[in-house]
Amino acid sequence: NAGVMQNPRHLVRRRGQEARLRCSPMKGHSHVYWYRQLPEEGLKFMVYLQKENIIDESGMPKERFSAEFPKEGPSILRIQQVVRGDSAAYFCASSPGRETYNSPLHFGNGTRLTVT
Amino acid sequence: QKEVEQDPGPLSVPEGAIVSLNCTYSNSAFQYFMWYRQYSRKGPELLMYTYSSGNKEDGRFTAQVDKSSKYISLFIRDSQPSDSATYLCAMCPYNQGGKLIFGQGTELSVKP
Repeated sequence: NAGVMQNPRHLVRRRGQEARLRCSPMKGHSHVYWYRQLPEEGLKFMVYLQKENIIDESGMPKERFSAEFPKEGPSILRIQQVVRGDSAAYFCASSPGRETYNSPLHFGNGTRLTVT
Repeated sequence: QKEVEQDPGPLSVPEGAIVSLNCTYSNSAFQYFMWYRQYSRKGPELLMYTYSSGNKEDGRFTAQVDKSSKYISLFIRDSQPSDSATYLCAMCPYNQGGKLIFGQGTELSVKP
């Protein structure tokens, strides 16, 4: 899925540090979604953003997690004061529009966060 | 009870076999149904996408949706070793955009 670019591919952080995950959507896509995949669990929705707006953050943990999608540049998922339970694969997906019928999601290859 | 149930497997079949992968769901508001394939250490890749009951075919893959039974299936004909991956079903209501609910994923291994 080369269209949606995520970096870094792997990120190691010690407990208490900050993690920043970046996502560049496919060309022409202005809708970005972040998902988390914990070991032995399925993908879980975290947040949905359009340029400069958070549309739905119902899946985001209440503390330490934040996301943005500025007018210029990639979308950023930020995790402050990481804990071991944050270790997971974080996937970004993009679509050209909101309506699923015409805009199925395309995923990037993810960032694998390891907290030591 | 999870909104989407999927047998995690693992499922092992010989090359050339017909594979049947299934998901059940509880939320009658789900209108869009997808199957994704995920290779190890990669992101999910969209395989099939449908929004109505019935069958949809694409090459060796057939997606089947039965909304009355809240049951979806993916059939893979003439399975190949390259089909070895984890298969994820996903679905969402009409007005929820890309807020997909995923099954746990079924790990498939096709032996040569």
